Amino acid sequence: RKEVEQDPGPFNVPEGATVAFNCTYSNSASQSFFWYRQDCRKEPKLLMSVYSSGNEDGRFTAQLNRASQYISLLIRDSKLSDSATYLCVVTSLNTGGFKTIFGAGTRLFVKA
Amino acid sequence: GAVVSQHPSRVICKSGTSVKIECRSLDFQATTMFWYRQFPKQSLMLMATSNEGSKATYEQGVEKDKFLINHASLTLSTLTVTSAHPEDSSFYICSALLAGGPDMQFFGPGTRLTVL
Repeated sequence: RKEVEQDPGPFNVPEGATVAFNCTYSNSASQSFFWYRQDCRKEPKLLMSVYSSGNEDGRFTAQLNRASQYISLLIRDSKLSDSATYLCVVTSLNTGGFKTIFGAGTRLFVKA
Repeated sequence: GAVVSQHPSRVICKSGTSVKIECRSLDFQATTMFWYRQFPKQSLMLMATSNEGSKATYEQGVEKDKFLINHASLTLSTLTVTSAHPEDSSFYICSALLAGGPDMQFFGPGTRLTVL
């Protein structure tokens, strides 16, 4: 089982649609959770951190459920510029140090 | 925000040659840097953790003699792909950890390596 699993996608949605991505992680000792966005042939960029209380940044809402080891990202009113790959990222800190695990990513295509 | 640069951005080399990739934190000091590899349509895979002044920690399955990492200063880590082969062709991305927390990880723009 992969340490971080995401919906495979791709998601093809029209502009203005609401789309939700899911992610599960296997290490219950994971400490920090993030959503990154990666455009084709570019480096990943931090979209937002994810907290148990949930957090919202404009059209983006992220949620963490530690009991279910589940993370979600909701995008409302999709824009063409939202087309990208969204990476679920989980970090842990153990005796070996800080470690980051990336999910395989979910591709989103927003069309006019 | 913090900036991380990589050089070169793209390199094409012949099989058997060695390629060095530099990762620099431009406006902050990073005691820890990470090297990732990303194959087409796959996610980033952590190759190694580079700590300034000490040996790098390699992930399982990554050959330390093939992927040499040097982190000689607080702003520079280098990855050398020795005796590169076509299967080493990939997108190599570094990140630097800004002291203060796990969300303070900043990524370089990546280096696309093509081995002929």
